[in-house]
Amino acid sequence: EAQVTQNPRYLITVTGKKLTVTCSQNMNHEYMSWYRQDPGLGLRQIYYSMNVEVTDKGDVPEGYKVSRKEKRNFPLILESPSPNQTSLYFCASSFMGLGSPLHFGNGTRLTVT
Amino acid sequence: GENVEQHPSTLSVQEGDSAVIKCTYSDSASNYFPWYKQELGKGPQLIIDIRSNVGEKKDQRIAVTLNKTAKHFSLHITETQPEDSAVYFCAAGGSQGNLIFGKGTKLSVKP
Repeated sequence: EAQVTQNPRYLITVTGKKLTVTCSQNMNHEYMSWYRQDPGLGLRQIYYSMNVEVTDKGDVPEGYKVSRKEKRNFPLILESPSPNQTSLYFCASSFMGLGSPLHFGNGTRLTVT
Repeated sequence: GENVEQHPSTLSVQEGDSAVIKCTYSDSASNYFPWYKQELGKGPQLIIDIRSNVGEKKDQRIAVTLNKTAKHFSLHITETQPEDSAVYFCAAGGSQGNLIFGKGTKLSVKP
């Protein structure tokens, strides 16, 4: 089944403790992206990647890191999480970026205390 | 910066009625306009999209219209059903190569 898989689905952590949210897609998509969803703010892009070893900042990249060492994986790294990063995070992929449909994972709900 | 405004933020209709959600965008270079449906506990799912060389597109009970001159596009759902209840997001393909999303519309269809 074609899908985008995020792990974990739920994560509670404390301020400053490094964490990684994994994202994997099995559709051989070139483009991958991370979004955060907050009430009243919709979906905001954190980082995106057009291909392996190519990453770019989205609208809200501060406090996040990403890497794209393999085509299928695009982990999101929070080196020193803070409470304002409490949010619902979505990974998405598409065949070739803008103009092709985005496929989303089911989300990771992160709480930073 | 690039912006997409979506209205209304909440919409309640009776089953069988039509629902219309409207979006405006700021980047005149945008040429791709998808709509996503998000059900509770799930990620957004593409339901229909339109490109700037097309004025209208239909898929069964769902249609999208685009007015490039006015920089706005709309989602129309006819004969609404309870399973249409969800949050709907519009988006516009920005000139930076990314998608800018609206803030979402929570649609409730009452049986």
